Amino acid sequence: AQSVTQLDSHVSVSEGTPVLLRCNYSSSYSPSLFWYVQHPNKGLQLLLKYTSAATLVKGINGFEAEFKKSETSFHLTKPSAHMSDAAEYFCVVIDYGGSQGNLIFGKGTKLSVKP
Amino acid sequence: DAGVIQSPRHEVTEMGQEVTLRCKPISGHNSLFWYRQTMMRGLELLIYFNNNVPIDDSGMPEDRFSAKMPNASFSTLKIQPSEPRDSAVYFCASSPWTGLSEKLFFGSGTQLSVL
Repeated sequence: AQSVTQLDSHVSVSEGTPVLLRCNYSSSYSPSLFWYVQHPNKGLQLLLKYTSAATLVKGINGFEAEFKKSETSFHLTKPSAHMSDAAEYFCVVIDYGGSQGNLIFGKGTKLSVKP
Repeated sequence: DAGVIQSPRHEVTEMGQEVTLRCKPISGHNSLFWYRQTMMRGLELLIYFNNNVPIDDSGMPEDRFSAKMPNASFSTLKIQPSEPRDSAVYFCASSPWTGLSEKLFFGSGTQLSVL
C-alpha cells in the first residue's frame, strides 16, 4: 500500500529564510508524488508533481521538491519564504493499488511565516 | 472559469437534521470527487464519479451518507440524519480526466458543524 508521512505538523520560519517541509513515502513501486497547498479558507491547489521524469521538480511560487529514492523522501523547499507562503502543505501519493483515482494525502504541515 | 463551486460555505445544524452539500464542477471535467477533512484523520476520499457514474464509494463512512450526480454540472452529498462526529470541512474536486487523477481542482469547501 502507498502512504506518505509528513514529519512536521507545524513549521515556522522568518520571512526571507529557507523553507523545508519534509515528506517520506512508502511505496511498493515507483510512486507518483505531489505537493498541494491550502491557503486559509480555500481549496487545495496543486503545487508540483513528480512522475519519474526528473528527480528535481519545480513548482509554482518558487517551490521545488527533490525525489530521493534512497531516502524515500520528497521534501519541499523554497530558498526564501514570503508572507504569502503561509498555508498548509500536503504531500500526496497516488494509490495505484487502491481505487482508481485515489490520492493519499499526508496529514499536512502548517507553515507560518514571521515578518 | 469560476472554478469548482460549493455551497453553502458554512452550515450549522442540529443533530438528527438532514444536511445537503452542493457542488458544481468545472465545465467539461469528467470526474468529481468528494473529500472530508478533519484534524484527526486529515483528508479522506468519500466517493468519486466518472462521467456522472459513481465509481467507488468505499470511503463513505455510513449509510447515513449518500451522494448523487444527476448531471455533469451538479452533485450533492447528503447526510441524513447528521451527527456531531460528521462535523468537518467537506471538499468537492473535479478533474478533466477519468483515469488516475494527477491534478484535482478543489472547491473552497463547506464547513459543517453539527451541534
